[in-house]
Amino acid sequence: GAGVSQSPSNKVTEKGKDVELRCDPISGHTALYWYRQSLGQGLEFLIYFQGNSAPDKSGLPSDRFSAERTGGSVSTLTIQRTQQEDSAVYLCASSPPTSGNTIYFGEGSWLTVV
Amino acid sequence: AQKVTQAQTEISVVEKEDVTLDCVYETRDTTYYLFWYKQPPSGELVFLIRRNSFDEQNEISGRYSWNFQKSTSSFNFTITASQVVDSAVYFCALSEALAAGNKLTFGGGTRVLVKP
Repeated sequence: GAGVSQSPSNKVTEKGKDVELRCDPISGHTALYWYRQSLGQGLEFLIYFQGNSAPDKSGLPSDRFSAERTGGSVSTLTIQRTQQEDSAVYLCASSPPTSGNTIYFGEGSWLTVV
Repeated sequence: AQKVTQAQTEISVVEKEDVTLDCVYETRDTTYYLFWYKQPPSGELVFLIRRNSFDEQNEISGRYSWNFQKSTSSFNFTITASQVVDSAVYFCALSEALAAGNKLTFGGGTRVLVKP
């Protein structure tokens, strides 16, 4: 597709279960980002992938959160043993590699932990 | 560390009024980039504009205009003759050239409500 694609668009899960969120970036974009948007916290950076380099995981809130990017394209964000405070919109974005390039966002995956 | 402040949390206007959204930033870099994004109720962040720190020219795009003032570290956004479809949350963001990864630091967002 032309834009950043995320799935699922909505996910309700029980506390303690694991969830996987998927992101398919814009074709040709080597940089991929995950952000989280929750009430009262604004938009928080989680993790960044650039080509084959080691990812920047500095924004991940705990070791329950992990992400991988296979083949330099699709990325999966995994949250293990979900907690209610994990409820948020998880936004994926991609951009060309050069500094200052525009970052384009997907529509997000709305996660609700009950 | 970089920081972006959007002091206005919510602005309510009547259609056809102008509305200005404030954005103030902090950075130690001399080269940086500023962005505005719109988030309508559907949730997607829609890119509006990118400006680099060396270009202080104001920009106009239709009913949208941006005023970048390096001296006051501000990058304000004005919607002229607002319309109901402008109702959304607007985010200002900053990325630093020297920071690895072109990461964006966002302001808290300003919710704009345009009433008919």
